[in-house]
Amino acid sequence: SQQGEEDPQALSIQEGENATMNCSYKTSINNLQWYRQNSGRGLVHLILIRSNEREKHSGRLRVTLDTSKKSSSLLITASRAADTASYFCATDALAGGYNKLIFGAGTRLAVHP
Amino acid sequence: EPEVTQTPSHQVTQMGQEVILRCVPISNHLYFYWYRQILGQKVEFLVSFYNNEISEKSEIFDDQFSVERPDGSNFTLKIRSTKLEDSAMYFCASSNSGGSEAFFGQGTRLTVV
Repeated sequence: SQQGEEDPQALSIQEGENATMNCSYKTSINNLQWYRQNSGRGLVHLILIRSNEREKHSGRLRVTLDTSKKSSSLLITASRAADTASYFCATDALAGGYNKLIFGAGTRLAVHP
Repeated sequence: EPEVTQTPSHQVTQMGQEVILRCVPISNHLYFYWYRQILGQKVEFLVSFYNNEISEKSEIFDDQFSVERPDGSNFTLKIRSTKLEDSAMYFCASSNSGGSEAFFGQGTRLTVV
């Protein structure tokens, strides 16, 4: 797989449920970021977690990072219909390449009322 | 809240024509980026720009593409001799340091016919 691969590709849940999305990457990183994209719109930054951090919270979002497994997860608790969007992880490379983000293919989340 | 603005939101051009996509990054940011997203596919890095020069570019960013910061506020992407496969959403982004949170514009949808 390529740098920043998310799974599942698509996730369908009911309002109020939690949504968990995973991301794997290949190279060593400075940080990992999660973005959200509503259909046909721009990317909205959600949260950044640095390589020396293991967990970070922001409102209903919880992100974990396991650098030994080169993986991250994004948990959205108590989901709402408005959370329906695509979610992408993005990494920057530790060895050079810190001026670019490599995005995964994204997880399409559908939250049904 | 400061934001990255892109114009136009949608551009239709004939194959072989040149297009210029415009971006106004956040005013105190120093790093500027262009990404593209072909419909239904990944967000792909094109180029990063710092201190009035390209700091990194991808394989996609060949001689057909160029970037410019013509004044203190605008950041442009020029695509010469457009091809059908250049049809995509083009996103501009900026950040205040390399490897930090990047703020994205709403994108320009380029359609080459």
